Amino acid sequence: QLQLQESGPGLVKPSETLSLTCTVSGGSISSSSYYWEWIRQPPGKGLEWIGNIYYSGSTYYNPSLRSRVTISGDTSKNQFSLKLNAVTAADTAVYYCGRVSGSGWPIDYWGQGTLVTVSS
Amino acid sequence: SYELTQPLSVSVALGQTARITCGGNNIGSKNVHWYQQKPGQAPVLVIYRDSNRPSGIPERFSGSNSGNTATLTIGGAQAGDEADYYCQVWDSARVFGTGTKVTVL
Repeated sequence: QLQLQESGPGLVKPSETLSLTCTVSGGSISSSSYYWEWIRQPPGKGLEWIGNIYYSGSTYYNPSLRSRVTISGDTSKNQFSLKLNAVTAADTAVYYCGRVSGSGWPIDYWGQGTLVTVSS
Repeated sequence: SYELTQPLSVSVALGQTARITCGGNNIGSKNVHWYQQKPGQAPVLVIYRDSNRPSGIPERFSGSNSGNTATLTIGGAQAGDEADYYCQVWDSARVFGTGTKVTVL
């Protein structure tokens, strides 16, 4: 059974960089069949897609966040990561990682999510 | 950018049918997916590609998509179906709907 687990600091200061890692078990991020994604949800609000990474290392980002986001993968650890630069309070959210079979397909596996608060 | 509009809330009597709409420009030409999210939990996929149910999702969940509206139908709603529901499509980015809170009375 595929499992995804987010990890990283729960508190980040304004203007700094948010860094999260998603550890995948029960499957390989090196598989050519899947994309690996990041999604976030501000408290009490809806879901927002951040971006994804393919096994080849190619990435695709939400245009609204593209200038601040980097998604990378570490196949040796079966992990993929999110970096979001120059954070503000508006970046406070639960951050989820997930798996997708392709652009026309849904997120079929989700991590449990991790709350990141941006505050001084 | 592409937008998906959902009603803020839908109420349904126990055992009755709830319909949640998702409006978008020519959404009928896209693949629509639906997620259920209960408080404090990650979303769960309940319908994919308009009308397909993942393994383990009850038959009372069904979906349709045509024109400018996609619809998630919960037939015979149960107390456990109380949750937020989000539609989602791909339009050069993964786009989520605004979300609908379903209350079972």
